Amino acid sequence: DSGVTQTPKHLITATGQRVTLRCSPRSGDLSVYWYQQSLDQGLQFLIQYYNGEERAKGNILERFSAQQFPDLHSELNLSSLELGDSALYFCASSTSPLLRVKPYFLYFGPGTRLTVT
Amino acid sequence: DAKTTQPPSMDCAEGRAANLPCNHSTISGNEYVYWYRQIHSQGPQYIIHGLKNNETNEMASLIITEDRKSSTLILPHATLRDTAVYYCIVRVHFNKFYFGSGTKLNVKP
Repeated sequence: DSGVTQTPKHLITATGQRVTLRCSPRSGDLSVYWYQQSLDQGLQFLIQYYNGEERAKGNILERFSAQQFPDLHSELNLSSLELGDSALYFCASSTSPLLRVKPYFLYFGPGTRLTVT
Repeated sequence: DAKTTQPPSMDCAEGRAANLPCNHSTISGNEYVYWYRQIHSQGPQYIIHGLKNNETNEMASLIITEDRKSSTLILPHATLRDTAVYYCIVRVHFNKFYFGSGTKLNVKP
């Protein structure tokens, strides 16, 4: 158990709909990352937040957005869903990101499996 | 934008050592190499990391070449439970981790 929680575990919805995925980081971790993993694909970095502020963006679609709240939990919002958005969505949290020369670990949650029909 | 190169799959007999190679020729001088694994569709799990020297922990050993352009993860006595996708990771930027496609390790009885 990494200490990172994600809800829901599974989500089935129709094309065109909007969903929200939730992530609670490990206690004390200020940074949250979101990754997407489509079937038999690697993990694609979407976005990162640190203490409520967006810090880095990857291949995140304009239909997707995220935020990190004062209590440090994060939500990933996916709208106008398409069949191709079906994937596993992972959240990860990390220790301090500020010291480049020090090792830096990501702790992953169990993921949310999104199925768009 | 590939930062790491790994073979797509490898087989290993149960009880034998599994040696998983990774090329990371563009790694910068002060960046660590990290290894994670993903069992089935679970969240990736940290295995080990290293900078210049070889490292060992309870899960695995990490051998990094002197020029730091490649590394090898060693599972000394692979078990069926080690069947997973293994990712060699370097930080692309300050706070981005590039996972690549990983190596699917099949441990066979």
